[in-house]
Parts: sequence; C-alpha cells; structure tokens
Amino acid sequence: GQQVMQIPQYQHVQEGEDFTTYCNSSTTLSNIQWYKQRPGGHPVFLIQLVKSGEVKKQKRLTFQFGEAKKNSSLHITATQTTDVGTYFCAGNAGNMLTFGGGTRLMVKP
Amino acid sequence: DSGVTQTPKHLITATGQRVTLRCSPRSGDLSVYWYQQSLDQGLQFLIQYYNGEERAKGNILERFSAQQFPDLHSELNLSSLELGDSALYFCASSRIPRGVGPDTQYFGPGTRLTVL
Repeated sequence: GQQVMQIPQYQHVQEGEDFTTYCNSSTTLSNIQWYKQRPGGHPVFLIQLVKSGEVKKQKRLTFQFGEAKKNSSLHITATQTTDVGTYFCAGNAGNMLTFGGGTRLMVKP
Repeated sequence: DSGVTQTPKHLITATGQRVTLRCSPRSGDLSVYWYQQSLDQGLQFLIQYYNGEERAKGNILERFSAQQFPDLHSELNLSSLELGDSALYFCASSRIPRGVGPDTQYFGPGTRLTVL
C-alpha cells in the first residue's frame, strides 16, 4: 500500500534558526496536505498543494511539491517559539489520504 | 474550533472492558475518519465512513468497530481493551464532493483513552 515517510522525526532548533521537514511518498500523489499539531492539541490543516513543482508561502512558512509529485517539503524561516509542534504531511493517492509520521519541532528561546 | 466535536474528552477504563467514542462532524460534512495516536506517535488511520457507509479501512483491529448514523454522527467501539489500546483517538470530518478525492480533514479535539 501507499507509504508516506517524513524526516526528520525530531528537530531541535534555536529560536531564529530555520527548519525544514521532508515528506516522501512511495507512490505518485494527486495532492499533498500539511497539518500542524500543537502540544496537547489536534492536527490543524495548514495548506494543500496540487500542481507539480508548486510552491506556496504562508508568512514564514514555504511549502513545496516536487516535480514528480512524490515528495514535498515545509520550510520555516527564522523559527519562533510559537512554531513548536508536530508537522504532518498527508499524501492523497486515489481515495486515500495517508499521513506521514510527523516531524516534532522544538524551539529553544 | 474546528466544528468537530468528540465525547468524552477523557476515558479511563480497565482491561477487558468495552467503550464507545462518539464524534459529530462539521455541519455539512458527509465523511468521518477515525485515527489512533499513541504517545509520541503519528496518526494511524483506522477507518472512514461516507454518508453512512464504510469507505476505507486502515489498520483497525478486529476488536474495534465503527459506524456512522443517519444524522452523520459516528461511534467507534473498542472492545476487549488491552493496555496497548491506551491512546488519543481523533475523529476528523471532510466534505468530499462527489467525484473528487479526499478533501481537507478537520479534526476534533480527541478522546484520551487510558486502559489500566
């Protein structure tokens, strides 16, 4: 079945440093979604990417969808303590949305 | 607030028992998904219902079952509980327009199940 891998599993950064999480799918995706889960909270939808090579920005967050539509990345510029949480990608292939294992971001003030 | 409600918020029970978790989707959403999240783990997809019918099945144990009722709320039944079933159980809903793939999922606050 479809597998979605995310790396790294954990990342500690100093406040102000950049952060990137990568997502790789075993199959070609029709689209990919990104979610953020704050500690003690529930996953919250951030964005969806549909087109090959698509790049979208939300303030300090930049999301990319690979040309082959099998990988994606989320980059945060100049992290803040409010960025703390676990970031999940979710790949859509066929009728199934498969979540990656998530990257837990910890930010030291 | 995502508009998805889940009850109860916390549940503590003993091994061998049976519990029912309840989820009400956002108004207008026809699809309900159930996920299990163990401590520091990712989201394990359990099962999906669409307009009352089972649509997709993930890593759901035979001891677990779910259903979606005519009013679109859903229940997840967990029986013969084991210590390893202790986890956060999330429900999510989506609109899924006809003929289109999975839509954005809106998650409820979750039910934390502790099996002692």
